[in-house]
Amino acid sequence: GAGVSQSPRYKVAKRGQDVALRCDPISGHVSLFWYQQALGQGPEFLTYFQNEAQLDKSGLPSDRFFAERPEGSVSTLKIQRTQQEDSAVYLCASSGTTGTDTQYFGPGTRLTVL
Amino acid sequence: QKEVEQDPGPLSVPEGAIVSLNCTYSNSAFQYFMWYRQYSRKGPELLMYTYSSGNKEDGRFTAQVDKSSKYISLFIRDSQPSDSATYLCAMRNTGTASKLTFGTGTRLQVTL
Repeated sequence: GAGVSQSPRYKVAKRGQDVALRCDPISGHVSLFWYQQALGQGPEFLTYFQNEAQLDKSGLPSDRFFAERPEGSVSTLKIQRTQQEDSAVYLCASSGTTGTDTQYFGPGTRLTVL
Repeated sequence: QKEVEQDPGPLSVPEGAIVSLNCTYSNSAFQYFMWYRQYSRKGPELLMYTYSSGNKEDGRFTAQVDKSSKYISLFIRDSQPSDSATYLCAMRNTGTASKLTFGTGTRLQVTL
């Protein structure tokens, strides 16, 4: 497809379970961002990749959150031992040549932790 | 206090009205300013992108940036029911790996 895709679109996890969220960026886009959007709030930055290099992970809320992009294309955001406060929409965005280009967002994965 | 402040609304206007949406910010390093539209259960979609102070117009949409006041606005003319969505302001500095900092979003409802 032409846009950013994310899977699954919805995920329900029991507290303590591990989850993995996938992002397929726009083909050829070098930069990839993850954001967390809580209900009624704007997206908040989690982490940034340029190709396979994770250049900024300052927004990851705890060491339970881990992101990777091993081949510089698809990225996975993993959350270990999920907590109720992790319930949110996780958005992925990609941009072209550098992180300064327009960021195009995917539809998000809505995570609910019970 | 958040770096970017935005009234969450909801804002309800009749069809055809002019809508004014605003954000204030505190970080003077912000140089690029954006407005995104987000429909329910969808990702944000870029509407307007401006650099530094000034105005930019695109169809029914006008974005204004006043860096001296740290204040940005989005105007929507001849509003339509299809404009009903949440409008997010976003901004970033000039760094090469520039994350976006978003406002809370304003929920807009355009009624018939």
